[in-house]
Amino acid sequence: AQKVTQAQTEISVVEKEDVTLDCVYETRDTTYYLFWYKQPPSGELVFLIRRNSFDEQNEISGRYSWNFQKSTSSFNFTITASQVVDSAVYFCALSEADSGYALNFGKGTSLLVTP
Amino acid sequence: KAGVTQTPRYLIKTRGQQVTLSCSPISGHRSVSWYQQTPGQGLQFLFEYFSETQRNKGNFPGRFSGRQFSNSRSEMNVSTLELGDSALYLCASSELQGTSWEQYFGPGTRLTVT
Repeated sequence: AQKVTQAQTEISVVEKEDVTLDCVYETRDTTYYLFWYKQPPSGELVFLIRRNSFDEQNEISGRYSWNFQKSTSSFNFTITASQVVDSAVYFCALSEADSGYALNFGKGTSLLVTP
Repeated sequence: KAGVTQTPRYLIKTRGQQVTLSCSPISGHRSVSWYQQTPGQGLQFLFEYFSETQRNKGNFPGRFSGRQFSNSRSEMNVSTLELGDSALYLCASSELQGTSWEQYFGPGTRLTVT
């Protein structure tokens, strides 16, 4: 069973628009970690954020913000005032307490920001 | 700190051959995980090594194996290559930091099987 679902396969926005990337996860563990990674065309996965299951506080980092809601098993990512450099594939991932550091990735959302 | 390094960056092999990929984690990190990324299956976990022991394994055939050395460097081996093994292979370096842990990925090795 897929543990991380990113329903949006591709999103296209015009620069300066706000965009939200959705992530829904499934786990029976009470202790788990959620991640977002960015993969630009170069291929390297760039770490954006990690959240543990006990911390539902939303986070803002510059133009990026994350909304973690355990009640809906969602961990959504919003980019405010998008820029062309934000164009990339974004992955949401889940790590469960009994799986060491193994990550279950979603299929990714390809974001294209046009001028 | 130097980042995660993977060698080689690109590799072309023929079906039936075997291949070894290498990953050097960030200094001080004891865990190395390997992932396969393909357009069809996405990012899939292969296995994780921690202090020279395999701690977790994904759902891959036995042709995929790995090991970790005492300096935390890790190698991944694929024997009897198949066309479907063409992929980007990523390794991740991890370490517990207090009550949290950090995980960083290398640039990947792109393997093409012809």
